[in-house]
Amino acid sequence: EIVLTQSPGTLSLSPGERATLSCRASQTVENSKLAWYQQKPGQAPRILIYAASSRATGIPDRFSGRGSGTGFSLIISNLEPEDFAVYFCQHYGDSPWTFGQGTKVEI
Amino acid sequence: QVQLQESGPGLVKTSQTLSLTCSVSGASISSGGYFWSWIRQHPEKGLEWIGYISSSGYTSYNPSLKSRLTMSLDTSKSRFSVKLISVTAADTAVYFCARDFAGYCTSTTCYGGGLFDYWGPGAQVTVSS
Repeated sequence: EIVLTQSPGTLSLSPGERATLSCRASQTVENSKLAWYQQKPGQAPRILIYAASSRATGIPDRFSGRGSGTGFSLIISNLEPEDFAVYFCQHYGDSPWTFGQGTKVEI
Repeated sequence: QVQLQESGPGLVKTSQTLSLTCSVSGASISSGGYFWSWIRQHPEKGLEWIGYISSSGYTSYNPSLKSRLTMSLDTSKSRFSVKLISVTAADTAVYFCARDFAGYCTSTTCYGGGLFDYWGPGAQVTVSS
């Protein structure tokens, strides 16, 4: 099973700033099958990015993803107040599909 | 608008069976192309994929839970269910049902895609003696 390690655990930023979140895999993620989700308190996760860099339907272009192999990142440019949340990476290659432990983006 | 809603007991006794149902509206669970998953979230351990069932009833489970797990589909009531036997405190979590939009089927088998676009709000399940 692929273990995903996210860093940092917490990112303290202000609205308007840029956030860079990292996700490192214990082995190569086949075909860049890596997704990013956003979760707010008391809510289910929402998909933001799939295939490492493709935005899901309705996701604003301030969210972008990059990476391949074992190293991936999510960039949120120009943070909006509603972007302060927890972000998870997830691989969806060979099952079992696994998630990272999350990065909290806080004000 | 696709909506999913989990239901079931919020408290289960140790060693008993956890049973949850996910009711789906706004989409047909019997139409091909979609798979229906359960995912849980522990406070300390984060998100864990539990397993999926295809619209035709094909299942795939996380190996860590496979020996205790059963999933089923009731297309007449547009819902799917999960049963986890012999529960312990480690099974205490928020349980989500979700739609997987990236799977596909061949003539002989089905493969879930592992990408989740619609989720239920989640159901807290506590295991206690």
